[in-house]
Amino acid sequence: NAGVMQNPRHLVRRRGQEARLRCSPMKGHSHVYWYRQLPEEGLKFMVYLQKENIIDESGMPKERFSAEFPKEGPSILRIQQVVRGDSAAYFCASSGLAARYEQYFGPGTRLTVT
Amino acid sequence: QKEVEQDPGPLSVPEGAIVSLNCTYSNSAFQYFMWYRQYSRKGPELLMYTYSSGNKEDGRFTAQVDKSSKYISLFIRDSQPSDSATYLCAMSGNAGGTSYGKLTFGQGTILTVHP
Repeated sequence: NAGVMQNPRHLVRRRGQEARLRCSPMKGHSHVYWYRQLPEEGLKFMVYLQKENIIDESGMPKERFSAEFPKEGPSILRIQQVVRGDSAAYFCASSGLAARYEQYFGPGTRLTVT
Repeated sequence: QKEVEQDPGPLSVPEGAIVSLNCTYSNSAFQYFMWYRQYSRKGPELLMYTYSSGNKEDGRFTAQVDKSSKYISLFIRDSQPSDSATYLCAMSGNAGGTSYGKLTFGQGTILTVHP
């Protein structure tokens, strides 16, 4: 499967716990993007990363959220001390260098905070 | 005012109808215009992208961009029940701009094609 991989597909956390979402880009892609989709809302940009670099984090909440894309391994979106309002579908997308508007999405991780 | 406005519908049409989906936008820096299809509880699937103004056709799908009016459309000909999904428009700025690589989405239009 050469598509964008995300895991876990479903994640349940209690308030105050940490959530770690993982994303492996499509083969040959070196740019990763994270988006959040809240119920009844559209997709909202969170962060754009290259290997070992954060390019644009203008959509990331200022606290509790962080993202990384290490030299080896998947990109990680980390949410510390989760609250009920963090419950959403989190999607990862990837692109090549030359066409960063041409983004392909993974199946998403559905986070539920109880 | 949102940067991208999209009528959420829902839109219900009979099989075989021509469907027109539209978005308007306010940011003149947008240069790339995409349409995604999203089935329930799945990830968005890229249907088409267009650069600047003009038309682009791919099978039963035609994308149109009118930058002077800040208006984009997706037409689906001979619609099928399998086209039933949420359709999302998305936009991005040009290389070198602050919005390049950062897609701004419309809210999505829910489409149902009934047999």
